[in-house]
Amino acid sequence: AQSVTQLGSHVSVSEGALVLLRCNYSSSVPPYLFWYVQYPNQGLQLLLKYTSAATLVKGINGFEAEFKKSETSFHLTKPSAHMSDAAEYFCAVILTGGGNKLTFGTGTQLKVEL
Amino acid sequence: DGGITQSPKYLFRKEGQNVTLSCEQNLNHDAMYWYRQDPGQGLRLIYYSQIVNDFQKGDIAEGYSVSREKKESFPLTVTSAQKNPTAFYLCASSKLGALYEQYFGPGTRLTVT
Repeated sequence: AQSVTQLGSHVSVSEGALVLLRCNYSSSVPPYLFWYVQYPNQGLQLLLKYTSAATLVKGINGFEAEFKKSETSFHLTKPSAHMSDAAEYFCAVILTGGGNKLTFGTGTQLKVEL
Repeated sequence: DGGITQSPKYLFRKEGQNVTLSCEQNLNHDAMYWYRQDPGQGLRLIYYSQIVNDFQKGDIAEGYSVSREKKESFPLTVTSAQKNPTAFYLCASSKLGALYEQYFGPGTRLTVT
């Protein structure tokens, strides 16, 4: 079965510091991977997606993620955090050939401090 | 503007009552989904539909029911059989195929007392 694990339910960084949110997946077939962001009491918004074209994926708001098959990872990064980045971030996976069914990680709450 | 609407934003019900959550999309998407979100548990799939008049159970379908009579609409009924219905419910839609991301509505927060 496919799954994703997000290490760290809460991450705190200073404004201007590097943001690193970790996601590892388990899948016996090539996966499609997604990062979504959720602001309080709102729906989810897609940040970026990996669909096997390029291993380094750039998304909105300066975020990017790198697919590393050897490490089964898809960590989300941003060079310099802004206060507006404070939100909850979800990693999700779809198996190729698995239709549209997304499996989500448990989420990482990002706090940005002055 | 194309998008997904969910109504109402907040919903309060007494225990033992059925309640229906609305989800409408004008993105011309074939697939629609319902998720439940609880703190610290991420999103869990309740039901999904890839075509009108057809739907499949997700991981936590017990105590819920859906219909898909129109492409644009995918209402979710939370029945009295659902043991712990208080949660944040999110509706999503997408084109068919794993390459296509899901677009989410703003959610409905249901509180049952």
